[in-house]
Amino acid sequence: GAGVSQSPRYKVAKRGQDVALRCDPISGHVSLFWYQQALGQGPEFLTYFQNEAQLDKSGLPSDRFFAERPEGSVSTLKIQRTQQEDSAVYLCASSLEHYYGGYTFGSGTRLTVV
Amino acid sequence: SQQGEEDPQALSIQEGENATMNCSYKTSINNLQWYRQNSGRGLVHLILIRSNEREKHSGRLRVTLDTSKKSSSLLITASRAADTASYFCATEMDSSYKLIFGSGTRLLVRP
Repeated sequence: GAGVSQSPRYKVAKRGQDVALRCDPISGHVSLFWYQQALGQGPEFLTYFQNEAQLDKSGLPSDRFFAERPEGSVSTLKIQRTQQEDSAVYLCASSLEHYYGGYTFGSGTRLTVV
Repeated sequence: SQQGEEDPQALSIQEGENATMNCSYKTSINNLQWYRQNSGRGLVHLILIRSNEREKHSGRLRVTLDTSKKSSSLLITASRAADTASYFCATEMDSSYKLIFGSGTRLLVRP
């Protein structure tokens, strides 16, 4: 597609529920990133994929967070047993190479845990 | 944790005026990027300046970088109401691919 597509746009989860957030990067983009953006703050890095390989997951806040990109295109960020502090916008970004030129971000998924 | 601090946190100007936003960071960088974010939307890449560059222009945007002071500024000339958004600086450190974002400047351009 023309841009990075994320779904759903909005997700309300009850505390303790598992959620899965999807990212469709631009076709052919090798690098894929997930960021978490709390209200009124800048995005914070969660994890990075190069093709299907997860090269860095140092930003994942706990072992309840898991990301995958099994075929090197679509990626899923899964959060198990959601807690209120997980409420945030989750942004996905992709690029052809890992830098130079900036990244293309999706519109994000706004997760609210109640 | 965020590397960048942006100043001011909020800025309100009249259409036609210039807007200047500043960003400071802590560690050495490979490049610095500016992004715009409209309310409820994703980030849009505006401009990238490499560590060996001092100034860059793109349309009504002018970015400067002072690596000795670890700071950058974004100037938007002849602002328009459509420029109303949050603006973030993001640094990419040496030998890394992560973007470290600042906390952003919320710009309001009054028509």
